Amino acid sequence: DAKTTQPTSMDCAEGRAANLPCNHSTISGNEYVYWYRQIHSQGPQYIIHGLKNNETNEMASLIITEDRKSSTLILPHATLRDTAVYYCIVPKNTGTASKLTFGTGTRLQVTL
Amino acid sequence: DARVTQTPRDKVTEMGQEVTMRCQPILGHNTVFWYRQTMMQGLELLAYFRNRAPLDDSGMPKDRFSAEMPDATLATLKIQPSEPRDSAVYFCASAPTGGPTYNEQFFGPGTRLTVL
Repeated sequence: DAKTTQPTSMDCAEGRAANLPCNHSTISGNEYVYWYRQIHSQGPQYIIHGLKNNETNEMASLIITEDRKSSTLILPHATLRDTAVYYCIVPKNTGTASKLTFGTGTRLQVTL
Repeated sequence: DARVTQTPRDKVTEMGQEVTMRCQPILGHNTVFWYRQTMMQGLELLAYFRNRAPLDDSGMPKDRFSAEMPDATLATLKIQPSEPRDSAVYFCASAPTGGPTYNEQFFGPGTRLTVL
């Protein structure tokens, strides 16, 4: 998997946008960026993934820079339930489900 | 709402005892993963299967751990004999083999293992 670098922790006020950055400068041309999160005492949860275009779903938006060396996960209106550890992962592209390497992630604390 | 289920949710055992953890993947998912999470090591892959055949178990201590898929609806992870350092939360995840979201893995709630 390509190496990713994320800040250790971030804070965000409830109702504001949370912007979580990730650097993945060694990403290969056909590798996707995946984001997962883990709420305390639960299993990790898939959020979103992208290759080079920006992506949006009901949970979040993913912005990938043109050179693909970094990305930002955006939670547009963070709530207390978004408090979690967020993982940015770039798995090897094998064309099939493969192992994910979880780093230390970013611990997001959403506060009132 | 399809989910990965794991049993037991909590297990406390004594050192030297055999522990078996079970996982039921989402119907139709033919790739199953076992991860372990500790405070020190974080979340790490132990093994994974595709179509019930082991693909990679390099993360698993071979002398005491074994993982199997007796059928498509059941994956098991056994530890024999268990040791205090095996205390962790063990997660099972499943994924479809292909398609546009093939690395969207669905995780179970985990089994919290405590070995005294």
